[in-house]
Amino acid sequence: ETGVTQTPRHLVMGMTNKKSLKCEQHLGHNAMYWYKQSAKKPLELMFVYSLEERVENNSVPSRFSPECPNSSHLFLHLHTLQPEDSALYLCASTNSREAGELFFGEGSRLTVL
Amino acid sequence: EDKVVQSPLSLVVHEGDTVTLNCSYEVTNFRSLLWYKQEKKAPTFLFMLTSSGIEKKSGRLSSILDKKELFSILNITATQTGDSAVYLCAVPAIRDDKIIFGKGTRLHILP
Repeated sequence: ETGVTQTPRHLVMGMTNKKSLKCEQHLGHNAMYWYKQSAKKPLELMFVYSLEERVENNSVPSRFSPECPNSSHLFLHLHTLQPEDSALYLCASTNSREAGELFFGEGSRLTVL
Repeated sequence: EDKVVQSPLSLVVHEGDTVTLNCSYEVTNFRSLLWYKQEKKAPTFLFMLTSSGIEKKSGRLSSILDKKELFSILNITATQTGDSAVYLCAVPAIRDDKIIFGKGTRLHILP
C-alpha cells in the first residue's frame, strides 16, 4: 500500500467508448502525475498537476483529458482511443517535485479494442 | 536533450549471485537521481542520491552516484528470487519540470 490508489485496475474499452481513470492519494502531497507505461518503453510523462493547476502537458493527444478537482484526486478522461493507447497508466504523487521522489499507484491496465 | 540510459536492459542470474545495474544520465541542472523497483505494477522507491561518492545502503541493496562521470550503480548482493523485478532509474529535469525515467533493467533471479 503506497497511499496512492488507482481505479479501475483493469479496463477494456472500444474505440468509441468514453471512460475515466481515477487516482486518489492519501499522503497530503501537492503534486500529482499521470504516466503511461508501454511495453519496452520508458515511463512517459503525460500530465503534471501542482496545487491543482496543470503545469505540464507533454504533447499528449486530446483524446486524453486530465482533471484535478482537488489536491487529493486526479482523473484521466478517455474518449475515442486507439489500440496503440493500450498500456499501463500510472498515477504518482509527491511533495518534492524538484527532488523527484514519487509515490506510485498500482496502475490501471487499459486495453483498447 | 535530457536522457537517462540504463544497462543492461535485462539480466538473468542465479540466486546468491551479486549484480550491478548501471544508470547514466545527461540532464541539465542535476538535482538528484532515484532508483525504483517495479515488481508487478507500482514502482516502489529504493534510493535517492544527491551527492557523489556517498553510498546508500538498504539491506543487500546499495547504490552510489558519480556526478563527475554522470552515472550511478545499483548493487544487489546475495540475490534472492524476490529480487526479480524491473529496476528503474529516474532523474528530475528541473528545466522542464519532468522526471525522466530510463527503460529499466529487467532482472530475473533463477532459484
